[in-house]
Amino acid sequence: EAGVVQSPRYKIIEKKQPVAFWCNPISGHNTLYWYLQNLGQGPELLIRYENEEAVDDSQLPKDRFSAERLKGVDSTLKIQPAELGDSAVYLCASSLRRGADTQYFGPGTRLTVL
Amino acid sequence: AQKITQTQPGMFVQEKEAVTLDCTYDTSDPSYGLFWYKQPSSGEMIFLIYQGSYDQQNATEGRYSLNFQKARKSANLVISASQLGDSAMYFCAMRELNTGGFKTIFGAGTRLFVKA
Repeated sequence: EAGVVQSPRYKIIEKKQPVAFWCNPISGHNTLYWYLQNLGQGPELLIRYENEEAVDDSQLPKDRFSAERLKGVDSTLKIQPAELGDSAVYLCASSLRRGADTQYFGPGTRLTVL
Repeated sequence: AQKITQTQPGMFVQEKEAVTLDCTYDTSDPSYGLFWYKQPSSGEMIFLIYQGSYDQQNATEGRYSLNFQKARKSANLVISASQLGDSAMYFCAMRELNTGGFKTIFGAGTRLFVKA
């Protein structure tokens, strides 16, 4: 069974440029998560989807970040415009359902903003 | 509010020996789940083991076991017979199932170094 797929794996951009990350969850997983991981820290939730509905986006900086999961399968996270402080790893995870279900993570996208 | 604490920034262990990685948590929700993940240098978070708050026995998965002490609010990970490939970051995580909105929070992690 294929795991969570993310692309690109690495992205280098200049500040004020837009950037987008893509995630394809494990087949059949209804819940999808986007996390931000700063260097030397644990992941922090940005947004959680139940199917196509964003049910927890309280930590998403909505002035510059946006996300979508139009058909309840793959998802895109966008930053526009990017700032130097956005340099981090962006992790996508999925689980069969919410609750106690285990989250399975993708390899992440390492973003560097110059 | 939920909180996860990992007090060991780094740990060294000799190959083939056992090692314990500490994790304490704080929650007022009686129903919660505890997770351990491994993150090698490649960056992917790998699920290792899960413990539910109502589980009577400590969880085990191969060489991994979770030493769950509910009264102390600790969920330490024990890795037996360490291997060089165990060198990685290890994260403890918790999800409250009643009050936390199913939000998972992670500790700051412990970097494990396995010596040959």
